[in-house]
Amino acid sequence: DGGITQSPKYLFRKEGQNVTLSCEQNLNHDAMYWYRQDPGQGLRLIYYSQIVNDFQKGDIAEGYSVSREKKESFPLTVTSAQKNPTAFYLCASSIAAGAYSSNQPQHFGDGTRLSIL
Amino acid sequence: DAKTTQPNSMESNEEEPVHLPCNHSTISGTDYIHWYRQLPSQGPEYVIHGLTSNVNNRMASLAIAEDRKSSTLILHRATLRDAAVYYCILRPRGGGSEKLVFGKGTKLTVNP
Repeated sequence: DGGITQSPKYLFRKEGQNVTLSCEQNLNHDAMYWYRQDPGQGLRLIYYSQIVNDFQKGDIAEGYSVSREKKESFPLTVTSAQKNPTAFYLCASSIAAGAYSSNQPQHFGDGTRLSIL
Repeated sequence: DAKTTQPNSMESNEEEPVHLPCNHSTISGTDYIHWYRQLPSQGPEYVIHGLTSNVNNRMASLAIAEDRKSSTLILHRATLRDAAVYYCILRPRGGGSEKLVFGKGTKLTVNP
């Protein structure tokens, strides 16, 4: 079955540590996204990528970094500069981004829950 | 961004139809109407979307008012697995439409 796989499901970070969240899709989608969701809140966009080797900052990119070396993979690194990293992180993909994205659904993974030790 | 208004919560019985309303009085002519749902501790799931005409898929139907200022998501026969928070989202055509802007949504409870 095609879909989006996020790992790990739960992750714990120590002070001063960088951690990387994995996101893999086998939907052959060009666009991929990272969102953060805090309890009782909506989603906030961290980064998105419209194509391999290209990515753009979202609304809350500070303290995060991404790479897009392969079409199917879009890992997110939560750096030590992110002072409040505890949240539910969601990866999504869609066929295309940009001008055509409003007519395309985004498909989500099951998320990674990150907590501070 | 155009805003949407949904009831905080709704309740339904299993096997009965459910009509989930959404008001979007400031919608522009090129905004698509999307619906997603989210179960506890899971990622959001795409349900349906449309522009002007009513839409049907295997999950639900979307009824869009003629003036497009409101829409209704219709679950034809609710099951326990439909219990979730349902989000109505407007997505503008063109640049800046990459992100999904989720409001509070409607929490649907399905009674057995």
